[in-house]
Amino acid sequence: AQSVTQPDIHITVSEGASLELRCNYSYGATPYLFWYVQSPGQGLQLLLKYFSGDTLVQGIKGFEAEFKRSQSSFNLRKPSVHWSDAAEYFCAVVGGYNKLIFGAGTRLAVHP
Amino acid sequence: DGGITQSPKYLFRKEGQNVTLSCEQNLNHDAMYWYRQDPGQGLRLIYYSQIVNDFQKGDIAEGYSVSREKKESFPLTVTSAQKNPTAFYLCASSGHGYDTDTQYFGPGTRLTVL
Repeated sequence: AQSVTQPDIHITVSEGASLELRCNYSYGATPYLFWYVQSPGQGLQLLLKYFSGDTLVQGIKGFEAEFKRSQSSFNLRKPSVHWSDAAEYFCAVVGGYNKLIFGAGTRLAVHP
Repeated sequence: DGGITQSPKYLFRKEGQNVTLSCEQNLNHDAMYWYRQDPGQGLRLIYYSQIVNDFQKGDIAEGYSVSREKKESFPLTVTSAQKNPTAFYLCASSGHGYDTDTQYFGPGTRLTVL
């Protein structure tokens, strides 16, 4: 069955530090992968997506993600975190009938 | 501005009542979705509709009902049969041009049972 695992429930980083959020997926075919961000009490905003082609994907707000088929991973990175990046981040993969399968999310806290 | 609107933002329900959550989109998307979000569990799919007058159950459809009479609208009714309805509900849509797999989300409705 298709699934998405985000191993880190909470991550805390200092402002200006680099960030990597982990995502592992289980899917038989070539996956369509997404990262979304959610601020408290808000909807989800699309950060970036991977369908095919270049395995390093650039997104909004300075985020990027790298698709590694051999590791079944799609980790999200940012070279320098800003306090406004504090939020919850969700990784997702498209399952059958265009249904999105989400990970449980990683909550990011940023220390000044 | 194109987007997805959900109303109300906050909703309170007494036990035994049915309530309806509104979702409207003006993105000309064919598909629409309802998700439930609980702390620590990510998002779970309740119902989805890929075309007007057709919809399918998702993973947690029990206690919920939907309709899709117009392309723009996909209301969700939380019935009294839903035993634990307190949650954050998110509506999404997808499907325009070549990018039919990307879902865009509304701002959500927080439902609380009193």
